[in-house]
Amino acid sequence: DSGVTQTPKHLITATGQRVTLRCSPRSGDLSVYWYQQSLDQGLQFLIQYYNGEERAKGNILERFSAQQFPDLHSELNLSSLELGDSALYFCASSVSRGLHTQYFGPGTRLTVL
Amino acid sequence: GIQVEQSPPDLILQEGANSTLRCNFSDSVNNLQWFHQNPWGQLINLFYIPSGTKQNGRLSATTVATERYSLLYISSSQTTDSGVYFCAVETSGSRLTFGEGTQLTVNP
Repeated sequence: DSGVTQTPKHLITATGQRVTLRCSPRSGDLSVYWYQQSLDQGLQFLIQYYNGEERAKGNILERFSAQQFPDLHSELNLSSLELGDSALYFCASSVSRGLHTQYFGPGTRLTVL
Repeated sequence: GIQVEQSPPDLILQEGANSTLRCNFSDSVNNLQWFHQNPWGQLINLFYIPSGTKQNGRLSATTVATERYSLLYISSSQTTDSGVYFCAVETSGSRLTFGEGTQLTVNP
């Protein structure tokens, strides 16, 4: 158990819908990262937050957005869902920015039908 | 951006065998991590190893930062070692860039 929690574990929805994935980092960790794992793209970095502020953006679509709240939990919002958004979404956390181990949550498996 | 290449892409072993997985990267890195993704999809941290050698039970890892590669050694493999092994590197204080992974199958 990494100490990072993600909910829900599984999500099945339809094209065009909007979903919210939630992540609670390990106690004491200020950085939260979101990654997407799909069959064709592999594991890709989406976005990072540090202590409530966005710090880095990767290959995140405009239809996707995220935020980190004062209690440090984070949410990833996916809207206007397409079939290709079906993937495993991971949240990771670390103590600070870089030079520290990133610990990964169990992931949310999103299926868009 | 940085390129991360892992080899071999697939590896099939008999229980008890030893193996070496390799990760090459194209630029200097601040952080290098090895992960095991089990059949249920969980990504499990194995090592944080930007340089040097570490051991944890039957697993050990070595990173030679000056030559831009890292090796993961698995000794006396067990069926529970099956899954995908990922190497990931970080260069700019945030994102990890993952390799394509090595799919390991250990047969009883």
